[in-house]
Amino acid sequence: DIQMTQSPSSLSASVGDRVTITCRASQGISNYLAWFQQKPGKAPKSLIYGASSLQSGVPTKFSGSGSGTEFTLTISSLHPEDFATYYCQQYFSDPQTFGPGTVVEIK
Amino acid sequence: QVQLVQSGAEVEKSGASVKVSCKASGYSFTTYGISWVRQAPGQGLEWVGWISAYNGDANYAQKFQGRVTMTTDTSTNTAYLELRSLRSEDTAVYYCARTRWPRRYFDYWGQGTLVTVSS
Repeated sequence: DIQMTQSPSSLSASVGDRVTITCRASQGISNYLAWFQQKPGKAPKSLIYGASSLQSGVPTKFSGSGSGTEFTLTISSLHPEDFATYYCQQYFSDPQTFGPGTVVEIK
Repeated sequence: QVQLVQSGAEVEKSGASVKVSCKASGYSFTTYGISWVRQAPGQGLEWVGWISAYNGDANYAQKFQGRVTMTTDTSTNTAYLELRSLRSEDTAVYYCARTRWPRRYFDYWGQGTLVTVSS
């Protein structure tokens, strides 16, 4: 199975900050990488697929990059509604696997 | 608009089975697949498997092989997840997610169904 890791595991940031989360795969996955946002008690929301393509309706303050084994999710300017847990996921091969999540908290 | 509406919470005894439904609307059901992902309390996300609504082909995570069956009913645009021989570790929220294929990435999610397994 492909192992996914994320760093940091948590971060504290202020409204307006630029935030970057890193996701690494244990082997190359091309660009078959997705990002999700999850708020407490809610279903995940799909943000990005194909490492850098925004899902429909997702604001452009979210961006993704990377290929192979290293990927990043960037939020250009944090808004209050962006405080949540973010997960990466590889869909290159089964079983699809998720990173452990990064909690973005208010400083 | 695309919606995936899941069935309500379930409480089952250890060793029993549970069947969770996911009713789709707002799109052509057979043009996509449905994946199932679960989340144990306070934990991360775990892929259970996926099924093509076009031809019923399914692929399950190895750890669930022999205990899980995913099906679809194209007459009602509903996907089902059945998990058998439940154990306490199966207590989780189960989510369905619309899945684009062939690459099988998710876009829309259901609201989740809490399955509680009691001993």
